[in-house]
Amino acid sequence: EAQVTQNPRYLITVTGKKLTVTCSQNMNHEYMSWYRQDPGLGLRQIYYSMNVEVTDKGDVPEGYKVSRKEKRNFPLILESPSPNQTSLYFCASRNWGHTEAFFGQGTRLTVV
Amino acid sequence: AQTVTQSQPEMSVQEAETVTLSCTYDTSESNYYLFWYKQPPSRQMILVIRQEAYKQQNATENRFSVNFQKAAKSFSLKISDSQLGDTAMYFCAFMNQGGSEKLVFGKGTKLTVNP
Repeated sequence: EAQVTQNPRYLITVTGKKLTVTCSQNMNHEYMSWYRQDPGLGLRQIYYSMNVEVTDKGDVPEGYKVSRKEKRNFPLILESPSPNQTSLYFCASRNWGHTEAFFGQGTRLTVV
Repeated sequence: AQTVTQSQPEMSVQEAETVTLSCTYDTSESNYYLFWYKQPPSRQMILVIRQEAYKQQNATENRFSVNFQKAAKSFSLKISDSQLGDTAMYFCAFMNQGGSEKLVFGKGTKLTVNP
C-alpha cells in the first residue's frame, strides 16, 4: 500500500530534550516536506527536500533540522524543543511532475 | 509571497443541503494549482479536489465542485447533498507550477453537518 508513515503518532517531552520524528514513504517520491499545524494558523511549511541531500527552509524553520540521506526517509529533528513547538506535525511527499501530495498520519507533539 | 485566505472559521449545514466554503488567494504568478483538503477528526489530510489555473472549466468530483474565478483570485468549494461524514476541517491550498514544492494553506474552515 502506498503510504507516508510518521512515528511516533503522539509524543510528550520536556523542554530541551532532543527528539526526532521519523517520516518514511514507499512511493519513490522526490519531494518531501514537513508542516506544522496550529489552531487558527493552518499548516505552515517547516522544511522541504527536492531529492537526496537537497533540503531547504520553508516558512517556519527556526528550531528544526532535517536530513535526506535516503530517498524514502526525511526525519525532523528538534535539537532543543521548546513549548512553542507544541503542535501537530505532518510529513508529505510528492512525485516530480505530479501535484498531489500524500500526507502522513500526523504527529501530535507536546513540549512541557 | 502567496497568501491564501479563508474568511469563514466555522460553518454548519443541515444534512442533504448544499454549502459553499470561500477561499481567496493572492499571487503574481499565472501558472499554479489550487486544492481543497479535508481533515476529519482522524487528522488525516485528504485531497478533495484540485484545479489547474490554466483550465477554465471548474473541477468536479462527485458531490464536490469548485467555482474558480481567476481574475478575482477566488476558489470556492461547493458541497452538495451534505453528509454527516463531510464534517471536518477544510483547507484551501495553493501551489506554484514549478519551483519549490510548497503548499500554501489557508487557516481552515470547520464544517459541521447536522442531522
